Parts: sequence; C-alpha cells; structure tokens
Amino acid sequence: AQSVSQHNHHVILSEAASLELGCNYSYGGTVNLFWYVQYPGQHLQLLLKYFSGDPLVKGIKGFEAEFIKSKFSFNLRKPSVQWSDTAEYFCAVNGGGFKTIFGAGTRLFVKA
Amino acid sequence: DGGITQSPKYLFRKEGQNVTLSCEQNLNHDAMYWYRQDPGQGLRLIYYSQIVNDFQKGDIAEGYSVSREKKESFPLTVTSAQKNPTAFYLCASSPTSGGPVYNEQFFGPGTRLTVL
Repeated sequence: AQSVSQHNHHVILSEAASLELGCNYSYGGTVNLFWYVQYPGQHLQLLLKYFSGDPLVKGIKGFEAEFIKSKFSFNLRKPSVQWSDTAEYFCAVNGGGFKTIFGAGTRLFVKA
Repeated sequence: DGGITQSPKYLFRKEGQNVTLSCEQNLNHDAMYWYRQDPGQGLRLIYYSQIVNDFQKGDIAEGYSVSREKKESFPLTVTSAQKNPTAFYLCASSPTSGGPVYNEQFFGPGTRLTVL
C-alpha cells in the first residue's frame, strides 16, 4: 500500500534560518508528488508539485523541493524562513489515479 | 471568484444524529473529494467522485455517505454509525483532463464537526 512519511511533526526555527522538511514515500510505480501548505485560518493550498523532468522543482514564496527517486524522497527546502512561513506543511503522493495519499503533516513555527 | 465553499464552518451534533456537510464548487471540476483531518494523522480520504452520479469509497468510508447529483455539489452525510465523528472535514476538487495536472487538488475552508 502507498504511504507517506514526514519525519518531523513539529519544527521551530528563528527567522532567516534554513528549512528542510523530510518526506519519504512508499510506492513502486511512477508518482506525482506534492507539497501543500495550510496557513493559520486559510485553505489548504498547493505549494509545489513534481510530475516529471527536472527533479528540483520551485514553488511559491521561495520554496523548492528535490525528488530523489533512489531514496523515495521529496524534501522541501527554503534557504531563509520568514515569520509568515508559520504553517502546517503536508507532503502528498499520487500514483496516477484519483487517490492521493497525504503525510501526517509538519507544523512549522517561525520565531520573529 | 472561483473556488470551493463549505458550510457550515462549525457544526455541533448530538450523538445518534445524522448530519450533512455541504460542499459546492464553481471551478467546473469533474472530480470531488472528502477528507477527514485529525491532529497528527494528516488527511484521510473518505469518498471521492470522478463524475456526476458516480462515487467511490476511500480509506475510511464506514459511517459516511455521499451523493453526486450535480457537478457542482458533493454533500457528505456523517451518520450515527460513525464511531468517532468529531473532526475537521475538508472538501476538494480537481480537473480530470489535461494529463497529470488533474492530480492537483483545490480545497475548501473546511467544516469542524463536534459531537456532544
């Protein structure tokens, strides 16, 4: 069965620190990969996605993620976080059908 | 303004009562989804619908029911058979044409259901 594992449930950083959130998935075939973000009081929204091609994908607000097929990983990164990045981040995997599997989420708190 | 609306935002129910959560979208998407979000568990799929008059069970469908009579609407009923219904419920939709882009989902604001 497909599964998604996010390594950290809670992360606390100071502004300007670098961010890396881990995501590993379990699936044997071709996958489409996503990071979604839920800011406080807002809808869950897409941060970035990978379908094919360059394994380094860039999203909104300076976020990027790297797909490493050999490691079944899709880690999210940002060189310098801001207070406004405080949110919950979800990694998600889709094997081509209508079913997307979401990770448990990582709550990021950025101290001003 | 295109988007997904869910109502109500907060809902309280007594044990033993059925309750229906509304989800409407004006994005012209064929596919719609219901998720349940619990702390530390991420989003779990309850039901999804690829097209009008068709829907499929997700991973945690027991105690829930849905209908899809119109493209824009996908209401979820939480029945008294659901053992632990207190949760945050999210509705989503996605396009189904144009290749893998259909996997990207657009979410509503959610309904927080509390069973008293």
